[in-house]
Amino acid sequence: EPEVTQTPSHQVTQMGQEVILRCVPISNHLYFYWYRQILGQKVEFLVSFYNNEISEKSEIFDDQFSVERPDGSNFTLKIRSTKLEDSAMYFCASSEDRGRGTNTEAFFGQGTRLTVV
Amino acid sequence: AQSVTQLGSHVSVSEGALVLLRCNYSSSVPPYLFWYVQYPNQGLQLLLKYTSAATLVKGINGFEAEFKKSETSFHLTKPSAHMSDAAEYFCAVSTRESGGGADGLTFGKGTHLIIQP
Repeated sequence: EPEVTQTPSHQVTQMGQEVILRCVPISNHLYFYWYRQILGQKVEFLVSFYNNEISEKSEIFDDQFSVERPDGSNFTLKIRSTKLEDSAMYFCASSEDRGRGTNTEAFFGQGTRLTVV
Repeated sequence: AQSVTQLGSHVSVSEGALVLLRCNYSSSVPPYLFWYVQYPNQGLQLLLKYTSAATLVKGINGFEAEFKKSETSFHLTKPSAHMSDAAEYFCAVSTRESGGGADGLTFGKGTHLIIQP
């Protein structure tokens, strides 16, 4: 069964360092998303990406964050200068479509736990 | 603005008993509502979704949920719990016109379902 894969499963980084979280969406999917969950808090929307550009982003997704689809298969989230409060589980998701049709289910990856020390 | 409240961070039921996980939402426009499940060490999996068609929605693994506009609720139920149902369950709301994908979902904090033998 196709799945969204995220690497690494756990990353520890020092405050101020750049970190790149990697995701491989399902191959025929066109819409990509990042969400995060700070420990004990809600899962929060960060950004959606379609046709090589950001389609929506939340207030959390400030200039420290960027997304990229560098090679047609990977989808990455970069945090330029990590802060302690960036520590969270980051989920990548993809969907074939996002309309009202039948192929709109979003598939989520297992998540990357980012710990900033 | 939209929000989701899941009552009870932990719910414990006996195997074979009714499962009821509560979700209340707040939305200024007609919502689209989702239930996701997360098994240990796995990503979020869509259980079911409500997108303004039938108010009683049937999902995978015997789960169903009923949209009640007057109560602003979308509670998840299963008549008979199985040990394999033990997982984290997330309710989510979207008001995006698309109604699908994972665009701008607002999640609840999650409910950990424990099944007692």
